[in-house]
Amino acid sequence: DVVMTQSPLSLPVTLGQPASISCRSSQGLEHSDGNTYLAWVQQRPGLSPRRLIYRVSNRDSGVPDRFSGSGSGADFTLKISRVEAEDVGVYYCIQGSYWPITFGQGTRLEIK
Amino acid sequence: EVKLLQSGGGLVQPGGSLRLSCAASGFAFTSHAFIWVRQPPGEGLQWVSLINGDGDGTYYADSVKGRFTASRDNFRNTLYLQMNSLRVDDTAIYYCANVVGTGVWGQGTTVTVSS
Repeated sequence: DVVMTQSPLSLPVTLGQPASISCRSSQGLEHSDGNTYLAWVQQRPGLSPRRLIYRVSNRDSGVPDRFSGSGSGADFTLKISRVEAEDVGVYYCIQGSYWPITFGQGTRLEIK
Repeated sequence: EVKLLQSGGGLVQPGGSLRLSCAASGFAFTSHAFIWVRQPPGEGLQWVSLINGDGDGTYYADSVKGRFTASRDNFRNTLYLQMNSLRVDDTAIYYCANVVGTGVWGQGTTVTVSS
């Protein structure tokens, strides 16, 4: 199975400051169809998870443009340009290029 | 509206069984693979099972292999997770999701295994 490794696991951030989460996979995630199935999911406290980004850098409908995804191969990043209070929660990277789908350990974002 | 509506779950004794359901609406159900994910109290998300679009391909986490069975009814646009031989450490909120395609997640359903 593809191993997904996130860092940091805990991310204290001051309101209005940027934040960045890294996700590395144990092998490159480019699928044979040419797509890279790497997604980012947010779970706010007490709520169901919500996908923010799909195929590395595409924002889902309704996701604020302060969220952006980038990367290629086996190295990916989720960036928040200016953290807001509603961004508190746990962020997971998920790969879907190789079955079974696998998750990172999660990064807990908190406000300093 | 793209939606996954979950049902089932509840309190069951160790060794018991439960079946979870996940009804899809608003998108082409048969085109998509789905996953089941769980979240034990105070912990992160754990992948449980994956089922392909036709329902003839399934994968399971080692912790549930041989006890859980994922299936789907492509006429009813519904997923199922049959959970047998339940253990205390299966206690969790269970989610169904279409992570790669639509990105939609179910609202979650609580399974509590306790005597």
